Amino acid sequence: GAGVSQSPSNKVTEKGKDVELRCDPISGHTALYWYRQSLGQGLEFLIYFQGNSAPDKSGLPSDRFSAERTGGSVSTLTIQRTQQEDSAVYLCASSLMGSGASTDTQYFGPGTRLTVL
Amino acid sequence: AQKVTQAQTEISVVEKEDVTLDCVYETRDTTYYLFWYKQPPSGELVFLIRRNSFDEQNEISGRYSWNFQKSTSSFNFTITASQVVDSAVYFCALSTSNTGNQFYFGTGTSLTVIP
Repeated sequence: GAGVSQSPSNKVTEKGKDVELRCDPISGHTALYWYRQSLGQGLEFLIYFQGNSAPDKSGLPSDRFSAERTGGSVSTLTIQRTQQEDSAVYLCASSLMGSGASTDTQYFGPGTRLTVL
Repeated sequence: AQKVTQAQTEISVVEKEDVTLDCVYETRDTTYYLFWYKQPPSGELVFLIRRNSFDEQNEISGRYSWNFQKSTSSFNFTITASQVVDSAVYFCALSTSNTGNQFYFGTGTSLTVIP
């Protein structure tokens, strides 16, 4: 079946502009995650959605970052007033259950490469 | 606190050589899960394996094998007879029963297989 998809694949923006990144999870997956990967670094957790529960926003680096998940499926990560340090690859992942009692496997999308000039 | 350490930043091997990628983890939870992902140049992370803390049996899948040792908190990954297509960044990750929502990733090991 179809995997996790993300759009756009590349985004170049000017400092101070707002950007929206989109993620389509695997059909039937209830959990959705956003990560940031800076050049040469590991993955930094940003936010997690599970069903209709309130999202876990503990990884968001500042209040310029926000995310929504509409209808329990597609998610949008918004970065307001972008800064050069926001330049990174933003990865989305989904998993079947996302249950804390029995961690299941996360499947990743291809990412969005964001460049802030 | 949970932590994953991949001490090898970059490794280069000649095709057909065997190579082992190290992963050391830290957690105080007794129930936890370990993962390996491959990130080829295309950028998409590909799931390779998941192992839970109660199963120390080593696993082999084709040219890939994994050695899980709780005594040393390690979950090492070996590629036998490496091929150019194995060139990628490999990430080890940890999640626990108490942090099920979060994966803790190592910083990755960049493997280059030279033809």
